[in-house]
Amino acid sequence: NAGVTQTPKFRILKIGQSMTLQCAQDMNHNYMYWYRQDPGMGLKLIYYSVGAGITDKGEVPNGYNVSRSTTEDFPLRLELAAPSQTSVYFCASSAPAVGREQYFGPGTRLTVT
Amino acid sequence: EDKVVQSPLSLVVHEGDTVTLNCSYEVTNFRSLLWYKQEKKAPTFLFMLTSSGIEKKSGRLSSILDKKELFSILNITATQTGDSAVYLCAVCNTDKLIFGTGTRLQVFP
Repeated sequence: NAGVTQTPKFRILKIGQSMTLQCAQDMNHNYMYWYRQDPGMGLKLIYYSVGAGITDKGEVPNGYNVSRSTTEDFPLRLELAAPSQTSVYFCASSAPAVGREQYFGPGTRLTVT
Repeated sequence: EDKVVQSPLSLVVHEGDTVTLNCSYEVTNFRSLLWYKQEKKAPTFLFMLTSSGIEKKSGRLSSILDKKELFSILNITATQTGDSAVYLCAVCNTDKLIFGTGTRLQVFP
């Protein structure tokens, strides 16, 4: 099992550009999540999904979009990138068990200049 | 509003010291409390606690939950330089984890 994979590892965007951060998991987990982590801060939830076709906003959804067409994939779309979106982005997944232990991908470091 | 608060924000100790990290929470629909360790990459899972008073142990690390007083502690005994990391506390609320900002632990030889 690869677990949770994310691509790319690093990306530099210019202001106003768009991109998609890819996330895939091979553990057959129903739940998937996108977080951002700014320097010295905890993780903030952007969007999450409880199953294919179902997505919901987290704490900081503005400027982002998601889709969940399959159980395995949960891409995060940034439209019109802004410097405030410079951050490390983590994707995570969990099974719908009590407690919801989440397994994290390696992260994508995004810089918007 | 749901919140998770960790203290201290940072801690500097010498190898061999024992440390206690604190996590308090106010969360509706509590399901569990989780501890993660984060070095310069993704968080890695340490413990999940769902019941009060039952200590979880893994080597030199242990953790306990108090659901009445709404807090948890993470203890690390005989610290080593490899314990240097940010320790994140998160509380599971229905479908989501709510994270604290973490405690940065630095262990010097």
